[in-house]
Amino acid sequence: EDQVTQSPEALRLQEGESSSLNCSYTVSGLRGLFWYRQDPGKGPEFLFTLYSAGEEKEKERLKATLTKKESFLHITAPKPEDSATYLCAVSSDKYIFGTGTRLKVLA
Amino acid sequence: DSGVTQTPKHLITATGQRVTLRCSPRSGDLSVYWYQQSLDQGLQFLIQYYNGEERAKGNILERFSAQQFPDLHSELNLSSLELGDSALYFCASSVGQGANEQYFGPGTRLTVT
Repeated sequence: EDQVTQSPEALRLQEGESSSLNCSYTVSGLRGLFWYRQDPGKGPEFLFTLYSAGEEKEKERLKATLTKKESFLHITAPKPEDSATYLCAVSSDKYIFGTGTRLKVLA
Repeated sequence: DSGVTQTPKHLITATGQRVTLRCSPRSGDLSVYWYQQSLDQGLQFLIQYYNGEERAKGNILERFSAQQFPDLHSELNLSSLELGDSALYFCASSVGQGANEQYFGPGTRLTVT
């Protein structure tokens, strides 16, 4: 069965304290892996698409990487405005979301 | 602003009632997805339409149905509502059928009393 697991469930960081979020997946025939950011009560906002192992994408303080079994979202020197839930999703014959990592960055 | 619109923003109704949620995709997008998100829960995929045809089905209850119209807007119909149906309902759209990023609307918050 296709599955997406994100860890940790929640993460508290001090401002400037870099860290990584993990998304591990088991799917038959990965067509794409996606990262989204969701603020409370709002729709998820698209961040990155990764299609093949070894691929990396960057945007401001965020960098996403992909291996054959997992993806990492690296957050460098985070700021309080980076606080949100980060969702990972994979596309095979279906689009499956993980349950997310709730990130809190303290000033 | 993602370009995806959803109406209404809020809906309060009683158990046993029927409601319709509406979604207009981004200009040029052919796929529409519906998701349910309960309090502190993940996004549960309900159903996907591509260019008017049902493309994929998730954990959608038989009391729920959806359709996509020729102008590509979509409606999600929820009937015989139960308290447990209270949730945020999101619509998303994408260009293609699957391996594309999705753009989400602001959601409809449904409260069943």
